[in-house]
Amino acid sequence: NAGVTQTPKFQVLKTGQSMTLQCAQDMNHNSMYWYRQDPGMGLRLIYYSASEGTTDKGEVPNGYNVSRLNKREFSLRLESAAPSQTSVYFCASSEGDRYGEQYFGPGTRLTVT
Amino acid sequence: AQSVTQLGSHVSVSEGALVLLRCNYSSSVPPYLFWYVQYPNQGLQLLLKYTTGATLVKGINGFEAEFKKSETSFHLTKPSAHMSDAAEYFCAQGGATNKLIFGTGTLLAVQP
Repeated sequence: NAGVTQTPKFQVLKTGQSMTLQCAQDMNHNSMYWYRQDPGMGLRLIYYSASEGTTDKGEVPNGYNVSRLNKREFSLRLESAAPSQTSVYFCASSEGDRYGEQYFGPGTRLTVT
Repeated sequence: AQSVTQLGSHVSVSEGALVLLRCNYSSSVPPYLFWYVQYPNQGLQLLLKYTTGATLVKGINGFEAEFKKSETSFHLTKPSAHMSDAAEYFCAQGGATNKLIFGTGTLLAVQP
């Protein structure tokens, strides 16, 4: 099993450009999550999908949109990138019960200039 | 609102010394608590978790943590540090929903 995969690994964007970060999991998990990680701030939840067909805002959703394409895939879109969105983005998945651990992808390092 | 506090953003120990990373949580419902480790340029991996039952939880790589409800703490320990333990460690809390609340992380350095 590959677990959680993310593409791309690295990306540089200019301010105002758009892009989509892709995430897929092969563990048949119900729930999927997008986080951003910034120095000294830990992981902050951007959006999550409790189950296929549902999405909800997390702590820092502004400037992002998501799509739960099917049970396996959950994408994150930046419509108009800003320097404040320079960060490392992690996708995670879990079975969806409240005591289940989350499994993380390797991350996407995004720089917006 | 629920929160997780990790005391000490940077901790440095000598190889062979005790590792103690502190975590305090706040929750109005019984918490489910996790410790994750992140090695450089990688994603997070689960070290251990507490859900119910025994309050002393053993994880991978010789780490363990003790849930103390009276102190709202879930500190991570390892008796003897190894160079390979150098990483960033995150405490996280679940409980009411299937979302996790993460602490801000503690970067552990191990000196030879």
